[in-house]
Amino acid sequence: QVQLQESGPGLVKPSQTLSLTCTVSGASLINDQNYWSWIRQPAGKGLEWIGRIYISGSTNYQPSLQSRVTISLDTSKNQVSLKLRSVTAADTAVYFCAKQLVVGGFYYGFDVWGQGTTVTVSS
Amino acid sequence: DIQMTQSPSTLSASVGDRVTITCRASQNIDTFLAWYQQKPGKAPKLLIYKGSILYSGVPSRFSGSASGAESSLTISSLQPDDFATYYCQQYDVYPWTFGQGTKLEIK
Repeated sequence: QVQLQESGPGLVKPSQTLSLTCTVSGASLINDQNYWSWIRQPAGKGLEWIGRIYISGSTNYQPSLQSRVTISLDTSKNQVSLKLRSVTAADTAVYFCAKQLVVGGFYYGFDVWGQGTTVTVSS
Repeated sequence: DIQMTQSPSTLSASVGDRVTITCRASQNIDTFLAWYQQKPGKAPKLLIYKGSILYSGVPSRFSGSASGAESSLTISSLQPDDFATYYCQQYDVYPWTFGQGTKLEIK
C-alpha cells in the first residue's frame, strides 16, 4: 500500500524559497509508472493543483506558478520534491503530495494523498 | 483555465436524506472528472473517478454522473460520516482545476 509523507520547514520568509519533500513508501519511484503531484490549500479555501512529474522527469505545471516552481524526483531516496521560489504571503497553505489512480494504463484522479504539511510565509 | 463551479456552496441536510451536488465546467470535459470528500484537517479522499466509477472501498450510497460539462454527485441516504466538504476536479485539460467545494452540513 502506497503511503506519502510530506516534510519541510513550516515557516518561510517572504522572497525566499519554499522547499518540501514527499517521501514515498510502499512503491518504488523508479519502477512505478506513475505521476506524482503537488496540490495546495490555503486555510479555509479550496484546492489548487501545482504540478506533477513522471518518472521520466517530464513535468506539467500550473501556469500561474510556472515561473517559480520546480518539481523533481530523487529516486535514490524515493522522494518527490517541490521548490517554490520568491514566496509571498499568498503562498501560505497546506501542501499535499498525491499520486494518480492508474487503471488499465489510464490515469485518473488522485487516489493516494499525503497528510499535508502547513507552510506559513511570514517574516 | 477550465473553471469548475459547484452548487450549492453549502447544503444542509439530515441523516437519511438523498442529496445531489452539481459541478459545471466552463467547457466540455467529457468524463475526465473526479469527486473527493474532505474532512477538517485531513487530506481529500477519492470517491468517484471517470465521472461515475466508484473508487474501491467507497460505499455504494455514493454515485456520480457526468456528461459534457455537467457532473453530479449523489448520496442516496446520508450517514453521519458523510458530513464533510466535497470537491469536483477536472483532469482533462491543464491546469487541472477543482471546484470551490460544497460543504455538507447537518440540518
